[in-house]
Amino acid sequence: DQQVKQNSPSLSVQEGRISILNCDYTNSMFDYFLWYKKYPAEGPTFLISISSIKDKNEDGRFTVFLNKSAKHLSLHIVPSQPGDSAVYFCATRNFGNEKLTFGTGTRLTIIP
Amino acid sequence: DAGVIQSPRHEVTEMGQEVTLRCKPISGHDYLFWYRQTMMRGLELLIYFNNNVPIDDSGMPEDRFSAKMPNASFSTLKIQPSEPRDSAVYFCASSPPGGLFNEKLFFGSGTQLSVL
Repeated sequence: DQQVKQNSPSLSVQEGRISILNCDYTNSMFDYFLWYKKYPAEGPTFLISISSIKDKNEDGRFTVFLNKSAKHLSLHIVPSQPGDSAVYFCATRNFGNEKLTFGTGTRLTIIP
Repeated sequence: DAGVIQSPRHEVTEMGQEVTLRCKPISGHDYLFWYRQTMMRGLELLIYFNNNVPIDDSGMPEDRFSAKMPNASFSTLKIQPSEPRDSAVYFCASSPPGGLFNEKLFFGSGTQLSVL
């Protein structure tokens, strides 16, 4: 049973426009949320995170939004750049547990 | 720091053979995780260790899978016998001591396993 879902396997966005990646989760006990980025032939790398006490966190071109009532997480990238083309995984964690649960990933392609 | 080191990068084997994947975590990290990536299920946690002790192996799919961490700088994931459905990318990751608010895993480059 997939507790973390990324319903869009792929997404194509024009360079310079906004990319929005979505993630839904089922467990209301999750209290920390992360996004990882993965290039081909490399391991995932940490991108940005948000605690359940916040609803928004920004880091440069990347902003993560959390809607706890809807159990929904989104990552906004603006403006999108060709180097943003990668697979993006959302991940969640229960308080006090080091175990991260990942989604299935969304492949983002930025079109020049 | 060299990061998390996994070997081999690619492994092609025949059904029924034993496969051993290896991982060297980042020095000083006391958590080690084994993940498997497939198209259908994304990144699945198989097992994780803290201070060389297995903490949660509930993600290990079958008894054919086993993992060990004999010391702080080395871990293995073994599949015996291997089956075609085991074909996937296997990642090792480590994280430093950070109590409850450690937020980052550092992943290796993965082992692409193909079982024919």
